Amino acid sequence: QKEVEQDPGPLSVPEGAIVSLNCTYSNSAFQYFMWYRQYSRKGPELLMYTYSSGNKEDGRFTAQVDKSSKYISLFIRDSQPSDSATYLCAMSAGGSYIPTFGRGTSLIVHP
Amino acid sequence: GAVVSQHPSWVICKSGTSVKIECRSLDFQATTMFWYRQFPKQSLMLMATSNEGSKATYEQGVEKDKFLINHASLTLSTLTVTSAHPEDSSFYICSARGGGQTGYTFGSGTRLTVV
Repeated sequence: QKEVEQDPGPLSVPEGAIVSLNCTYSNSAFQYFMWYRQYSRKGPELLMYTYSSGNKEDGRFTAQVDKSSKYISLFIRDSQPSDSATYLCAMSAGGSYIPTFGRGTSLIVHP
Repeated sequence: GAVVSQHPSWVICKSGTSVKIECRSLDFQATTMFWYRQFPKQSLMLMATSNEGSKATYEQGVEKDKFLINHASLTLSTLTVTSAHPEDSSFYICSARGGGQTGYTFGSGTRLTVV
């Protein structure tokens, strides 16, 4: 079993839909959780960064961490075609630790 | 925010030649940079950790003589793919942590095609 599991998709939704992206993990030491967005042929860019359990909201994006279930989510409200990208989750045991990445979920938002 | 510049964005080279990829932190000093490799529809695979002024730390299975890393200054790390072969064709991405940014900042990646 990989440390971080993420469904590669693709996930195809209509514009305006609420998108839910998820990752599960097995290492209970993970404390820091990140979501990156990667457009085709580009490097990943950091979207959300959370510590421990709970929710964090930033505009149309909400990150949710459930450490008891070892499950994290990224919700995108009012999805736009420009949100079409690959979303990678990442997590680490400490703020200065090298993160472990999921394989990414490909999201397609069609007009 | 922190910016990491990676160059070139794409390169095509012949088998047997060497290719150098540069990674620069533009507005902050990065004592540590990271090099990743990414295959289509796959996650980022950490190849090595580049430390300024010292030898790089390679992940298990990564040939250090094939993937030469040099981190000569606080803002520049280079990855040289030596004697490239078609199986080295991939997307290479560098990242750095610092500049007041939480998480890691990534370069824009380099697509290497070896023919």
